Amino acid sequence: GDSVTQMEGPVTLSEEAFLTINCTYTATGYPSLFWYVQYPGEGLQLLLKATKADDKGSNKGFEATYRKETTSFHLEKGSVQVSDSAVYFCALSTRSGGSNYKLTFGKGTLLTVNP
Amino acid sequence: NAGVTQTPKFQVLKTGQSMTLQCAQDMNHEYMSWYRQDPGMGLRLIHYSVGAGITDQGEVPNGYNVSRSTTEDFPLRLLSAAPSQTSVYFCASSQERLAGVTDTQYFGPGTRLTVL
Repeated sequence: GDSVTQMEGPVTLSEEAFLTINCTYTATGYPSLFWYVQYPGEGLQLLLKATKADDKGSNKGFEATYRKETTSFHLEKGSVQVSDSAVYFCALSTRSGGSNYKLTFGKGTLLTVNP
Repeated sequence: NAGVTQTPKFQVLKTGQSMTLQCAQDMNHEYMSWYRQDPGMGLRLIHYSVGAGITDQGEVPNGYNVSRSTTEDFPLRLLSAAPSQTSVYFCASSQERLAGVTDTQYFGPGTRLTVL
């Protein structure tokens, strides 16, 4: 079945440090790939997405490139801020039969950025 | 737009009690779903619906019922609560079920449920 593996947390960085959160996936067919972010006490919200191989998703300084050859979608940011502290989820979307689809999430990575 | 709303925010139940978690969206989305979030487990799909009158099971459906009588509402019922159902529950919706694989899901703020 479909699965998403992301690096175990927690990740603790100082402000302005470089961030990488690794994500690899297993899926049949051609999934779309997503990064969702969950700030403390809130629901998940979409951070960025990519729908086909070699697409780059970007938002708020975060980037991730859909790499079909390595089945990866690593999240990067050049200079993190304290406000980036949150849990980050990698996810993929595939068809589950007919016109339906399902979203499969990784376990999440907690990022803490210290001033 | 209020987006996706969930009530209640917090709930404590005793084992064996039943209750309904409410979810509503005002975006006219066809696709709605329920997830539970447990530490170290990510989000797991409980039930989903691709339109009014149509529901289906997700990854962890046991102990939960759903119905979809309108496009806007998608309640989740716990029939007889168990401590294993202690979790944070998220409702989500998205626009299209046909294009599906490229679509963004919008999440509610969650309901934190404790079963004693």
